[in-house]
Amino acid sequence: GAVVSQHPSRVICKSGTSVKIECRSLDFQATTMFWYRQFPKQSLMLMATSNEGSKATYEQGVEKDKFLINHASLTLSTLTVTSAHPEDSSFYICSASVGGYTDTQYFGPGTRLTVL
Amino acid sequence: GENVEQHPSTLSVQEGDSAVIKCTYSDSASNYFPWYKQELGKGPQLIIDIRSNVGEKKDQRIAVTLNKTAKHFSLHITETQPEDSAVYFCAASSGGGFKTIFGAGTRLFVKA
Repeated sequence: GAVVSQHPSRVICKSGTSVKIECRSLDFQATTMFWYRQFPKQSLMLMATSNEGSKATYEQGVEKDKFLINHASLTLSTLTVTSAHPEDSSFYICSASVGGYTDTQYFGPGTRLTVL
Repeated sequence: GENVEQHPSTLSVQEGDSAVIKCTYSDSASNYFPWYKQELGKGPQLIIDIRSNVGEKKDQRIAVTLNKTAKHFSLHITETQPEDSAVYFCAASSGGGFKTIFGAGTRLFVKA
């Protein structure tokens, strides 16, 4: 149980284009979903937290107009990287929990974004 | 805010030996401590977690201990196997709108 999927697993795009990443909780309803960014050999950096039906809460330094998050249902959240640039290249990982921060987070497999 | 320190950053053990990874946290209100294993190119997988109302939890070869007074918790892996090789992250959270804070990670190598 507690499976989270992400799609796509890998994407290569040209600079200036937008990329959408989907995160789905397959066997449970996720009240809260989290989006992380991970640089090589580094820890997870929380970008934003989203609750179903509400606006996402972004961490300091994360541009909400660049990283659009939508949590339209209890099983789906999307992250759209708008007007992507090479510096946005990274490993993006989502996680989902039934409740909030002290509820267990289950992570997706990640999406490797490469912006040329 | 909460800060989580994790040691060591790299750990190399012989197959069959035990491995111990330690984390300390700063916020005494933290009450949930998960451990994740991340293999190369994959997302983190929860391997064990502990809440502040218990001092120890065990699941087969994996155990976690929590010392609330000292504000530290540890992951113990016994009888290590090559497939245990991965990066392990500890984390701490306290709820109430405060986010989960992850340690910097420990790269574990188990030599056959």
